[in-house]
Formats: sequence, structure tokens, C-alpha cells
Amino acid sequence: AQTVTQSQPEMSVQEAETVTLSCTYDTSESDYYLFWYKQPPSRQMILVIRQEAYKQQNATENRFSVNFQKAAKSFSLKISDSQLGDAAMYFCAYTDGGATNKLIFGTGTLLAVQP
Amino acid sequence: DVKVTQSSRYLVKRTGEKVFLECVQDMDHENMFWYRQDPGLGLRLIYFSYDVKMKEKGDIPEGYSVSREKKERFSLILESASTNQTSMYLCASSPRDTLLTSQYFGPGTRLTVT
Repeated sequence: AQTVTQSQPEMSVQEAETVTLSCTYDTSESDYYLFWYKQPPSRQMILVIRQEAYKQQNATENRFSVNFQKAAKSFSLKISDSQLGDAAMYFCAYTDGGATNKLIFGTGTLLAVQP
Repeated sequence: DVKVTQSSRYLVKRTGEKVFLECVQDMDHENMFWYRQDPGLGLRLIYFSYDVKMKEKGDIPEGYSVSREKKERFSLILESASTNQTSMYLCASSPRDTLLTSQYFGPGTRLTVT
């Protein structure tokens, strides 16, 4: 069975600095998709960034980028120029597709941003 | 914008009560999901539905049932609420066969069973 592991329950970063959140996964599939979701306090979970396993190029969305290491089964999220609004719970998620698009989530990393 | 709404943000129920959590999406998505979120455990899938009247068990279906009579609405039912079902419940929806489209989440219902 596929699993997703986030080994950092909590992280802290100074405003304007860079922080990296770690995620590892286990799968025997060769084609799959990885996501980072953000859940701000008392607000809805939203998608931050996605990565297709067949693409070697790391995904980037503005200040958010990933370091996707397929052989190592690692999918870390880098947040550059951290802002107070980045404070949230971040979840790493995996799917190998199928009609139902089921996601497997990690346990989350709570990110605090210090002014 | 896709909108997923849940009937209550906060709910307090007594042990043994039957509890209904409602979820509605407005984007004609085929797939709908119910998750439970607990600290240190992340999100765990309770049930999902890939079409009207179709459902499949997720990872933790015990103590729960679901209903999907209309495409836009997916209900989670706690037949006899217990204190260990105190949790945050998240509903999500997604189109079928579209991996690049993420799941869209509702705001969550924080359920307390006393």
C-alpha cells in the first residue's frame, strides 16, 4: 500500500526567509501525481502545487517550488520569501490515479512564520 | 470558482445520537469524498462516491455510512455517535478521470460528541 510520510510536525521560519518542508512516499507505481495542500487556520484547504511523476522538471508556482527526487521518493516543498500569510498546516498528498482520484495524505507540517 | 459547502462549521452532539453531515458542490463533479482530520494523523478517507448512488469504503469506514442521492450532495451519517468520533470532518469533490485537477475541499465541520 502506498504511504506518505511528513517527518516534521512543526516548522518555523522568519518572515522573508526560505523554508523547506519534507515529504517522502512509498509506491511501486511508476506513474503518479504528488500534491502539496495548504490549510490556513480555520480556512479551507487549497492546492499549492502539483507534480506529475513522469515530468523531470520540478514544478514552480510563484514563491512555491518543489524538489522532486523520484528515485529517492522524495517531494519537498520550498517556500521562498516567506510571508505571514504562509502560516498554515501543509499536507503532502499522493495519487496514482484511476477514475476516483483518491488521495493519500501525510500527517501534515504546521508552519509558523515569525515577523 | 468551485464551491464546496458543508452544512455546519461546528456541531455538538450527544453519545448515541444519529448525526448527519451534509456536503454540497456546485461544479458537477462526479467524485465526492469524506475525510476525517485528527492531529498527528492527517486526513483519513472515510468513504467516497464516484457517481450518484455509488459509494466505496475508504480507510476508516467503521461507524459511518454515506448517502448520495443527487450528484451535488454527499451526506455522511454517524448512526450512533460515539466520543471517539469527535473530530474535524472534511468533504471534497473532484472531476472524474482528471488527475491534474486537485480535489476541492469544503470548510470542514468540527464535530464534538459528548
